[in-house]
Amino acid sequence: RKEVEQDPGPFNVPEGATVAFNCTYSNSASQSFFWYRQDCRKEPKLLMSVYSSGNEDGRFTAQLNRASQYISLLIRDSKLSDSATYLCVVKGNYQLIWGAGTKLIIKP
Amino acid sequence: DAGVIQSPRHEVTEMGQEVTLRCKPISGHDYLFWYRQTMMRGLELLIYFNNNVPIDDSGMPEDRFSAKMPNASFSTLKIQPSEPRDSAVYFCASTPLTGGRNEQFFGPGTRLTVL
Repeated sequence: RKEVEQDPGPFNVPEGATVAFNCTYSNSASQSFFWYRQDCRKEPKLLMSVYSSGNEDGRFTAQLNRASQYISLLIRDSKLSDSATYLCVVKGNYQLIWGAGTKLIIKP
Repeated sequence: DAGVIQSPRHEVTEMGQEVTLRCKPISGHDYLFWYRQTMMRGLELLIYFNNNVPIDDSGMPEDRFSAKMPNASFSTLKIQPSEPRDSAVYFCASTPLTGGRNEQFFGPGTRLTVL
């Protein structure tokens, strides 16, 4: 079993729709969680950290469920510019453990 | 702030040749990471440094791979000899040593093709 697992997608979603990604992690001792975004042929960039109480940044909402060891990312009112790969990241003992990413395609 | 700088951006070489990838982290960042990304395996950590000292190189695939960080502003990843299966995008990332902050800042990557 991989340490961090994501549905690879792609998710094909019409513009304006709401889309949700889930990610599961295996190390129950993990303390920090993140979502990164990677555009095609570009480097990953931090989208948002994930806090225990859940957090929101505009159209983006991140949630953490420690009991079930999963993280979610919700995108509301999706835009064409949201098309990218979304990487779930969990902090291990000393380094970040990366999921393989979920590809999102927003269609007009 | 110029961000993390990597060179070259693209490298095409023949099997058996030596390849050297270069990275300049963001000034003041204490950690430097080398990653490899492929479609099949995703983003893999190869090695990381703290204050120029290699901390964990368990991700380095083989002895053909080596990395150095002679000073705080420069690191290299070398592959000798290169093989076609080394073809990938190699990213360098850095992060500051500040409490609780874990954001890694990535360079634009080096796209390596080994023929």
